[in-house]
Formats: sequence, C-alpha cells, structure tokens
Amino acid sequence: EAQVTQNPRYLITVTGKKLTVTCSQNMNHEYMSWYRQDPGLGLRQIYYSMNVEVTDKGDVPEGYKVSRKEKRNFPLILESPSPNQTSLYFCASRASWGNEQFFGPGTRLTVL
Amino acid sequence: TQLLEQSPQFLSIQEGENLTVYCNSSSVFSSLQWYRQEPGEGPVLLVTVVTGGEVKKLKRLTFQFGDARKDSSLHITAAQPGDTGLYLCAGGTGNQFYFGTGTSLTVIP
Repeated sequence: EAQVTQNPRYLITVTGKKLTVTCSQNMNHEYMSWYRQDPGLGLRQIYYSMNVEVTDKGDVPEGYKVSRKEKRNFPLILESPSPNQTSLYFCASRASWGNEQFFGPGTRLTVL
Repeated sequence: TQLLEQSPQFLSIQEGENLTVYCNSSSVFSSLQWYRQEPGEGPVLLVTVVTGGEVKKLKRLTFQFGDARKDSSLHITAAQPGDTGLYLCAGGTGNQFYFGTGTSLTVIP
C-alpha cells in the first residue's frame, strides 16, 4: 500500500530536549515536505526537499532542521524545542512530475 | 504571511443544501489544489486546477480557478453528511506550497 508514515504519532516533551520525528514514504517520490498545522493559521511549510541531499526552507523554518540522506526518509529535528513549537506536524511527499501531495497521518507534539 | 484566505471559516448546513467555499489571494499561483481533511488524518487531495478559468467537476463538487489564477471556489450541490470535514485550498509557486486557513464544514442529517 502506497503511504507516508510518521513516528511517533503523539509526543509530549519538555523545553530543550532534542527530538526527532521520522517520516518515510514508499512511493519513490523525489519531493518531500514538512508542515505544521495550527488553529486559525492553516498548514505552513517548514522545510522541503527536492531530492536526496537537497533541502530548502519553507515559510517557517526557524527552530527546525531536516536531512535527506535517503530518498524514502525525511526526518524533522527539533534541537531545542520550545512551547511555541507545540503543534500538529504533517509530512508529505509527491512525485517530481506531479501536483498531488500525499500526507502522513500527523504527529501531535506538545512541548511543556 | 497568509497568502491564501478562505471564507467562510465555519459552515454548518442541513443535508441537501448547496454551498460555496472561497479561496482568495493577491498572489498568482501556477496551480491550485483543494484538499479535504478529516479529524486525526492528513489532508487528501480532491482536485488540482492549473489553467485560469478552468472548471472541474467531481460528482457533486465543482471547482473553479479564477481567470487571473489568484482565486478559486468550491461548490457542493446537495451536501451530504459524508461531506463533513475541513476543506483546504493550497497554491503552488515552484516548489513551495501555501495553504489557506481552511473551511470547517458540518452537514447535519
């Protein structure tokens, strides 16, 4: 089954404790992206990647890092999380030739 | 920066009624997409429009892209409870995507 998976689905952590949210897709897509979703603000793009070792900033990259060492994986790293990073995070992928983005199920992060 | 504004933000209607959701921007997009998101899940693509003035139909849903490729509308005919969800528009410029704030639709049986 073609899908995007994220782990963990839920995470409660404390300020300053480094964490990583994993994202993996099995569709051989070149393009992957991370979004955060907040009430009243919609989905905002954090980082995106056009292919292995190619990443670029989206609309709200501050406080986040990403890496793309393999085509299927695109982890999101929060080196020193803060409460304003409490949000619902989505990973998405799409083929380089297409418009449709396939989204993962989301990771709900709470930073205390 | 909120490039895409959706209206209304919330909509509650009776089954069988018609409705229109709007997505407006001051920016031009190379493509515009509509997604539906259900609680606890990621957004799922409904349609992509790329040509100014384009109209696409998906069963009871009609999507229109503005002539200037800055705005779009989604019209639902004879809404059903299964249409309940969060409707999101998204505009693409190159490799970046900007999402609207969303319209939360509730269809009451």
